[in-house]
Amino acid sequence: EAGVAQSPRYKIIEKRQSVAFWCNPISGHATLYWYQQILGQGPKLLIQFQNNGVVDDSQLPKDRFSAERLKGVDSTLKIQPAKLEDSAVYLCASSLVTNEQFFGPGTRLTVL
Amino acid sequence: AQTVTQSQPEMSVQEAETVTLSCTYDTSENNYYLFWYKQPPSRQMILVIRQEAYKQQNATENRFSVNFQKAAKSFSLKISDSQLGDTAMYFCAFSRGSGAGSYQLTFGKGTKLSVIP
Repeated sequence: EAGVAQSPRYKIIEKRQSVAFWCNPISGHATLYWYQQILGQGPKLLIQFQNNGVVDDSQLPKDRFSAERLKGVDSTLKIQPAKLEDSAVYLCASSLVTNEQFFGPGTRLTVL
Repeated sequence: AQTVTQSQPEMSVQEAETVTLSCTYDTSENNYYLFWYKQPPSRQMILVIRQEAYKQQNATENRFSVNFQKAAKSFSLKISDSQLGDTAMYFCAFSRGSGAGSYQLTFGKGTKLSVIP
C-alpha cells in the first residue's frame, strides 16, 4: 500500500514570496490533515479536511495561509506572502474513520 | 483545551538496555486516545503505540509498552532491549475520541532519544 506522498520535499524562498505544497493521501482515506512543525517543537494542526470539506481550520493563519482539497483526494497548502516565522516542516497526514493517522515525509520550508 | 507535556528534551540509553520516556497531559475529556509517535532523523513519523483511555490494560507492541495512569494523567513509554534503530524523536500525542475536533492530534514537544552502541 502506498503511503502519504508530499512534494516538494524541500523549498527555499525569500520572504514575501508565495509557495505551495502538495499532498496525496493514502487511497480511500477520507480525512486529511496539515500540520506545521517548527524546529524543536511538536507538530501543530493547521487544518483538517473530511472528504473535500473543512472540519477545522481554527489554527490556520487565514491572512496568509490557504488550503483546499479538490474532489476529496489531493490537497494543496499555500502560503502568500511568506514570513520568516513560516520556516518549518509541513506535514500531511491521512486517516480512515479510525483515529490512526499516517504521515507523509513532510516538506521542509526555509524562508530567507 | 488539551495540553501534552514531555519533560525530557533528550535522553540516551545503551544498546540492549531499557529506557522510559515520560509524558503527562491535561484534559477534561473522558473519551480520548493517547499515542506515542516516532520520528527518525530525516524520516517520516510513524505510530509506535496507542492507548484508549477507557481501557485499563496497558498497551504493548513487541518491545514497546506504556504505563497509563489515568488518574495521574500520565502516559509513559518503555522501550525494552533498545536497538540502534530506536534512535529518533519521540512524541506523545492526545486526541479526543468524540465530538468537535475528535481525532485531531495534540503533540508534546518531543524527547530526543539516542541509543548508544
